[in-house]
Amino acid sequence: EVQLLESGGGLVQPGGSLRLSCAASGSTYRSSAMSWVRQGPGRGLEWVSTISESGVITNYADLVKGRFTFSRDNSKNTLYLQVNSLRVEDTAVYYCAKGQYYFDLWGRGTLVIVSS
Amino acid sequence: EIVLTQSPGTLSLSPGETATLSCRASQSVTNNYLAWYQQKPGQAPRLLIYGASGRATGIPDRFRGSGSGTDFTLTISRLEPEDFAVYYCQQYDSSRTFGQGTKVEI
Repeated sequence: EVQLLESGGGLVQPGGSLRLSCAASGSTYRSSAMSWVRQGPGRGLEWVSTISESGVITNYADLVKGRFTFSRDNSKNTLYLQVNSLRVEDTAVYYCAKGQYYFDLWGRGTLVIVSS
Repeated sequence: EIVLTQSPGTLSLSPGETATLSCRASQSVTNNYLAWYQQKPGQAPRLLIYGASGRATGIPDRFRGSGSGTDFTLTISRLEPEDFAVYYCQQYDSSRTFGQGTKVEI
């Protein structure tokens, strides 16, 4: 069974950047599309991005398009979310989740706080 | 964007009772592409239902999803103490959006 562990969150100023990571374990990881979903105060759950099994295809929510980049390194069983030009409204717990459309396994999340 | 509206906001019930949660979509969700999640404080969401009525692995049959089009329901029979949590619906027909949640409390 796949297990997911996020890291890389923290406090960052508006306009700053972070790289979030998600370490995956389990035999089905490499055959699974993966996603990031965030949960911010006052915004509820919000889908951010999805990446295909190979990493060739990515999709982004309009709110993050052009600022966030989702990638994966299947040799390291790790997913990355590069988040640039951060805004206060990007403050949230960022969850790594297994699945392309609905999400059948979630990590524990990493907290990103954007504040001056 | 498909907006999902969940009701009620909070449901106060006792163990053993039945919870009925509603999720209404702003436009039809084709192919019943709707999921339900449970979230407890400090934890990530857990998938309960996909395809409007399919139970995820390990989910007891006390949880039942139903509905189609714009109106969907999650029914939790014989509430157990561990069922008191926040429940979210999510559509994956057009991009992916979540409802705002229903809290089931004692």
